[in-house]
Amino acid sequence: DSGVTQTPKHLITATGQRVTLRCSPRSGDLSVYWYQQSLDQGLQFLIQYYNGEERAKGNILERFSAQQFPDLHSELNLSSLELGDSALYFCASSTDSQQSDTQYFGPGTRLTVL
Amino acid sequence: AQKVTQAQTEISVVEKEDVTLDCVYETRDTTYYLFWYKQPPSGELVFLIRRNSFDEQNEISGRYSWNFQKSTSSFNFTITASQVVDSAVYFCALSEAQDYGGSQGNLIFGKGTKLSVKP
Repeated sequence: DSGVTQTPKHLITATGQRVTLRCSPRSGDLSVYWYQQSLDQGLQFLIQYYNGEERAKGNILERFSAQQFPDLHSELNLSSLELGDSALYFCASSTDSQQSDTQYFGPGTRLTVL
Repeated sequence: AQKVTQAQTEISVVEKEDVTLDCVYETRDTTYYLFWYKQPPSGELVFLIRRNSFDEQNEISGRYSWNFQKSTSSFNFTITASQVVDSAVYFCALSEAQDYGGSQGNLIFGKGTKLSVKP
């Protein structure tokens, strides 16, 4: 158990809908990262937050947004969902925001868009 | 560009065989960090090891060992006397430096190698 929690574990929804994925980092970790794992793209970095502020952006679509709250939990919002958004979404956390930090991953949320 | 290549898509071995998973990386950084993660069939990503670019010592942890060679930009992972529980997808990853696009430490993953260990 990495100490990172993600809810829900599974999510099934329809095209055009909006969903929110939630992540709680390990105790004491200030950085939260979101990754998407799909069959065609593999594991891709989406966005990073550090202590409540956006720190880095990767291949995140404009339909997607995220935030980190004062208690350090984070939410990833996916809107106007398309079939291609079906994937496993991981949250990871690390102590700080340095290149050297080890990221510990949550169990993931499997999103299915029908 | 920063890139991680895991050329072996799938490997199948019989229990107790040794197996090496290859990882080749590309980076412009002089300081960088490499990682291996394991993704068992249950789906979670489990951290195995972190290595920085200044430490070329090989590392051994039980049946696992890692061979880091800067000269060939490789960070290979060997499992000795494989077991059925080692069956998983293994990912090699590179930590991106701060300077590129404002990123700070997000991971660049290889495509993964699926290891099947048969009894």
